[in-house]
Amino acid sequence: QVQLVQSGAEVKKPGASVKVSCKTSGYTSTNYAIYWVRQAPGQRLEWMGWIHAGNGNTKYSQKFQDRVTITRDTSASTAYMQLRSLRSEDTALYYCARGPGSGIDFWGQGTLVTVSS
Amino acid sequence: DVVLTQSPLSLSVTLGQPASISCRSSQSLVYSDGNTYLNWFHQRPGQSPRRLIYNFSNRDSGVPDRFSGSGSGTEFTLKISRVEAEDVGVYYCMQGKYWGSLTFGGGTKVEIK
Repeated sequence: QVQLVQSGAEVKKPGASVKVSCKTSGYTSTNYAIYWVRQAPGQRLEWMGWIHAGNGNTKYSQKFQDRVTITRDTSASTAYMQLRSLRSEDTALYYCARGPGSGIDFWGQGTLVTVSS
Repeated sequence: DVVLTQSPLSLSVTLGQPASISCRSSQSLVYSDGNTYLNWFHQRPGQSPRRLIYNFSNRDSGVPDRFSGSGSGTEFTLKISRVEAEDVGVYYCMQGKYWGSLTFGGGTKVEIK
């Protein structure tokens, strides 16, 4: 079955960076994109960017494009999202999700990133 | 960006009664291939979202048939014919037409009265 398993919770200081991983299994990863979506407390789900696991093409939301980098390791069927220059407003649950070309179908379990001094 | 507006913000429903959630899009979600890329997700407390409906009216595998999606163009509805206890949580619509720039509705919280 399709699975996306994310790395564990992180606590970071303001100004630091965080890198979250998303290991996929149960499907041919190179046929799909991986999206990164965040859910801040009290806020709606927010798309950050995506990477096509096959050709490595990426696209970032304008809101995050200066601070986020999404990469993938096809040999490990794993995608990564790095967010730099963290601030308290970045405290949120970060999800990876599979993109079949018409949105999102399966989601990872989420990774809580807490930014606090 | 496409803006999705959900209503109501919250819904309190008696077990066994129907529920209906609306999602309005600022632009048509009909793609050039003829498909309408509007999805519905359900997020239980402490869990990841789970897709219920894709292409505005198609139920995902394993989704009970009490869930149905309808609508066209810019106006969409998710209906639960008879609410059960496991249906509590937040429901989100999401557009996939502009898949390079996904957007979500603000969510509708469903609770049992």
